[in-house]
Amino acid sequence: DAGVTQSPTHLIKTRGQQVTLRCSPKSGHDTVSWYQQALGQGPQFIFQYYEEEERQRGNFPDRFSGHQFPNYSSELNVNALLLGDSALYLCASSLRGGAYGYTFGSGTRLTVV
Amino acid sequence: AQTVTQSQPEMSVQEAETVTLSCTYDTSESDYYLFWYKQPPSRQMILVIRQEAYKQQNATENRFSVNFQKAAKSFSLKISDSQLGDAAMYFCAYLRETSGSRLTFGEGTQLTVNP
Repeated sequence: DAGVTQSPTHLIKTRGQQVTLRCSPKSGHDTVSWYQQALGQGPQFIFQYYEEEERQRGNFPDRFSGHQFPNYSSELNVNALLLGDSALYLCASSLRGGAYGYTFGSGTRLTVV
Repeated sequence: AQTVTQSQPEMSVQEAETVTLSCTYDTSESDYYLFWYKQPPSRQMILVIRQEAYKQQNATENRFSVNFQKAAKSFSLKISDSQLGDAAMYFCAYLRETSGSRLTFGEGTQLTVNP
């Protein structure tokens, strides 16, 4: 049973560019959340998707957007990249609420130069 | 807003010994969930243990146990018989399902296990 799969694993982009990160949730899970983890810090919640809609959003600018597809997979898009967007981006999936814990992927390491 | 604080940026323990990682949180709610996650160098966040706030009994998973003090808003993790594979960054996290199920993480504690 595959867990959460994220692609790509590493990415280098230039300031001002746009990036798309992808996530396939664990089989049977229908909710996908995205987190940003800066080096040496705890993950920060970006947003959550359920039934193809953004259910909740953290304190991130509109440059961060997402999408969930009918097969529950998800994309995170970041426009107009800033140096400060360099971080590990984690995708987590769950069945509806996260009371039983989320399953995380190994993340995408984004470096903005 | 809920906050989670881990006051120990780094901890070390000898193999086979016991170590306790501290976590405090701030919330005005009575019904919530607390977690400890482990993040090894592979970067994947792995669930270690889960506690439901309405349960007074402390959760236990093999060598891992918690000391949940609801009134004090404290949630520490005890690792018994530490193994080299326990070396990782450990994060304490809070979740209130009715608030949209977002996890609020602490800053983490880097655990080193010495042979």
